Amino acid sequence: DAGVTQSPTHLIKTRGQHVTLRCSPISGHKSVSWYQQVLGQGPQFIFQYYEKEERGRGNFPDRFSARQFPNYSSELNVNALLLGDSALYLCASSFRESSNQPQHFGDGTRLSIL
Amino acid sequence: QKEVEQNSGPLSVPEGAIASLNCTYSDRVSQSFFWYRQYSGKSPELIMSIYSNGDKEDGRFTAQLNKASQYVSLLIRDSQPSDSATYLCAVTRSGSARQLTFGSGTQLTVLP
Repeated sequence: DAGVTQSPTHLIKTRGQHVTLRCSPISGHKSVSWYQQVLGQGPQFIFQYYEKEERGRGNFPDRFSARQFPNYSSELNVNALLLGDSALYLCASSFRESSNQPQHFGDGTRLSIL
Repeated sequence: QKEVEQNSGPLSVPEGAIASLNCTYSDRVSQSFFWYRQYSGKSPELIMSIYSNGDKEDGRFTAQLNKASQYVSLLIRDSQPSDSATYLCAVTRSGSARQLTFGSGTQLTVLP
């Protein structure tokens, strides 16, 4: 079975632009979460979606938004990009949204802002 | 105080030795605990989950949880060079959001 798939794998943008990152969860998984990982740190939670509804939001500015589609895939949008948005963006999926459900990560999208 | 703390390392052990990785967390309502392995340039890979006090073994890996001390650890027996990676401790708590809160990770190097 395919794991969590993310696209694109790498992306280079300039300050002020916007970006859309995509994620397809493991088949049968209904919960999708997004994380940002900067070098040398653990991933930081951005959003969680379950059954197309936002279930959680981390401490990120309103420039960050996301949505989940009927097929449970998800998009993360970031507007007005800043240099500090350069990071690895990770998508994780789990079968349900409960706290004991293991989350499985995709390979991530590496975003570089010039 | 960080919510989840790990020694950043680097931690070096010889091949065949036991590697011990430690993690403390500050929120007493934390419910579920996970260890992820992350190779350089790759994404985190789940290796262990633990939900109740005590030990949980899976192959060469043993996770230990002590909720009273707010402490979770990972032991890797018979360490191999392929175990060299950053190990991330993550916790979740009950509530409306089920997000993982990660530590900064411990870099482990297993020397041949």
